[in-house]
Amino acid sequence: DAGVTQSPTHLIKTRGQQVTLRCSPKSGHDTVSWYQQALGQGPQFIFQYYEEEERQRGNFPDRFSGHQFPNYSSELNVNALLLGDSALYLCASSYRDTGYGYTFGSGTRLTVV
Amino acid sequence: AQSVTQPDIHITVSEGASLELRCNYSYGATPYLFWYVQSPGQGLQLLLKYFSGDTLVQGIKGFEAEFKRSQSSFNLRKPSVHWSDAAEYFCAVGGSKSTFGDGTTLTVKP
Repeated sequence: DAGVTQSPTHLIKTRGQQVTLRCSPKSGHDTVSWYQQALGQGPQFIFQYYEEEERQRGNFPDRFSGHQFPNYSSELNVNALLLGDSALYLCASSYRDTGYGYTFGSGTRLTVV
Repeated sequence: AQSVTQPDIHITVSEGASLELRCNYSYGATPYLFWYVQSPGQGLQLLLKYFSGDTLVQGIKGFEAEFKRSQSSFNLRKPSVHWSDAAEYFCAVGGSKSTFGDGTTLTVKP
């Protein structure tokens, strides 16, 4: 039974570019949340998708957007990249929005140069 | 607003010794509380969670945590640490839209 799968695992982008990160939730899960983890810090909530809609959002600018597909997979898009966007981006999935704890992927390490 | 404080940035214990990692939270209602572990280059793995009921919660890998409402704490414990427990540990509060602490790095001495 596959857990949460994220791709790519690493990537390097230039300031001002746009990036798309992808996440496939654990089998049986229908809710996807995205987190940003800067070096030396805990994860920070970006947003959550359920039933193909953004349900909750953290304190992130509109440059961060997302999408959820009918198969529950999700994308995180970041426009106009800044150096400060360099971080590990984690995807977490769960069944409904039960808050019972999430299954996390291994993350995508984004470096902005 | 909900928040989590992990007072210890780094803890070193000897293998076989007991462990306690501290977590203090701020939350407006009865909290959902979690402990996660993160190995280098990996995602987070859920160790245990508290929603209600018994304030002593058992988790995986021999970990347990105790919820103390009067102290707004949810400390993680393990009676005997193994070298493989070396990792970063995160306490979190809330359900969806969880707020995480900044983590405690555990080093295990042989």
